[in-house]
Amino acid sequence: DQQVKQNSPSLSVQEGRISILNCDYTNSMFDYFLWYKKYPAEGPTFLISISSIKDKNEDGRFTVFLNKSAKHLSLHIVPSQPGDSAVYFCAASDPDKLIFGTGTRLQVFP
Amino acid sequence: EPEVTQTPSHQVTQMGQEVILRCVPISNHLYFYWYRQILGQKVEFLVSFYNNEISEKSEIFDDQFSVERPDGSNFTLKIRSTKLEDSAMYFCATQWGQGANTEAFFGQGTRLTVV
Repeated sequence: DQQVKQNSPSLSVQEGRISILNCDYTNSMFDYFLWYKKYPAEGPTFLISISSIKDKNEDGRFTVFLNKSAKHLSLHIVPSQPGDSAVYFCAASDPDKLIFGTGTRLQVFP
Repeated sequence: EPEVTQTPSHQVTQMGQEVILRCVPISNHLYFYWYRQILGQKVEFLVSFYNNEISEKSEIFDDQFSVERPDGSNFTLKIRSTKLEDSAMYFCATQWGQGANTEAFFGQGTRLTVV
């Protein structure tokens, strides 16, 4: 029972272009969502979050959009940089735990 | 910047042996968690711990698992009799609060290999 889904296992984007990572969820009770970035052999690092009372949250090059009616959120990275290459996890706060998606591996090439 | 520290970084153990994974949380954080990631799979919740007791645990967290914070600093995960399927990356995470506007900070993980 996957409550948080990331249907694209990988994404390849040219440096300078926009990266769009998608995430869907099934539980309408979720009210807080987070994106984490993970490099190999490291723990997940918090990137950006959004509360269900908002539809957009922006932090520098990173913007998260939330569409509650579609139970969908997306992370936009503009412009993409080679250092952004990592696995990105979408997570929902349950609220006493995080429920993670399966991750999307982003590769940014020059 | 404060960080969550985990030791050891890699543990190899024989099936049936006990292992203890250790975590030093960020100092003012009150909520503690263990997650694991089997190779190639998603990060899964194991257990949450607050006020010196378990708040919630997943189906994975059976009687072979236990957690404690014996000295008020280290937060430990014990697996009493390891199985091959316990091989995974184990992540400790801590938060100062719960719910919106509180994010979990993760340690770098302990890679557990059961042979």
